[in-house]
Amino acid sequence: SQQGEEDPQALSIQEGENATMNCSYKTSINNLQWYRQNSGRGLVHLILIRSNEREKHSGRLRVTLDTSKKSSSLLITASRAADTASYFCATDNQGAQKLVFGQGTRLTINP
Amino acid sequence: DAGVIQSPRHEVTEMGQEVTLRCKPISGHDYLFWYRQTMMRGLELLIYFNNNVPIDDSGMPEDRFSAKMPNASFSTLKIQPSEPRDSAVYFCASWRGVRGYTFGSGTRLTVV
Repeated sequence: SQQGEEDPQALSIQEGENATMNCSYKTSINNLQWYRQNSGRGLVHLILIRSNEREKHSGRLRVTLDTSKKSSSLLITASRAADTASYFCATDNQGAQKLVFGQGTRLTINP
Repeated sequence: DAGVIQSPRHEVTEMGQEVTLRCKPISGHDYLFWYRQTMMRGLELLIYFNNNVPIDDSGMPEDRFSAKMPNASFSTLKIQPSEPRDSAVYFCASWRGVRGYTFGSGTRLTVV
């Protein structure tokens, strides 16, 4: 399997703190994406970073990509209770049209 | 746009019965994907279509599973006969070739 692997599997922090999740993958990629899944819902696309990019920002989200280490991180700053969800990384290393998802990080923000 | 629409939201069926899951992609999206999500195996890609043509069905577990896309606005995933190990949440997603996929809300299938 060429799935990405997220670390940690679960993360619990206080509201207002920053949350960092990591993703490692196995082969070369064109891009890496992060998705959020609220309980009982479908996945929502958060951000895409291309293989020639090292960092990308979107609101309170910051994504980094290190292709030499085949790893990515997602930072959520100033976390809110509404950020409680599972976060998945996905890579296209099996072809540009086909995304392979990791197992996810379950993030809990405590009020 | 109403997004990707899946039906039913929940399905409970008895082992051996036929199950049909339905998906309406976003208009203008020419890729459609079927994924299955379980606690043990995570998100697995079952099959995907481009312009209504199946491109890769290597993730379909066995011959009991079949998928069709008769037109650009409709796809079905059929399981016949269903088994308890097919219990999972099945997601449909569509994509127009840029940015990320748009997922439906999923169908939670329980086979008893």
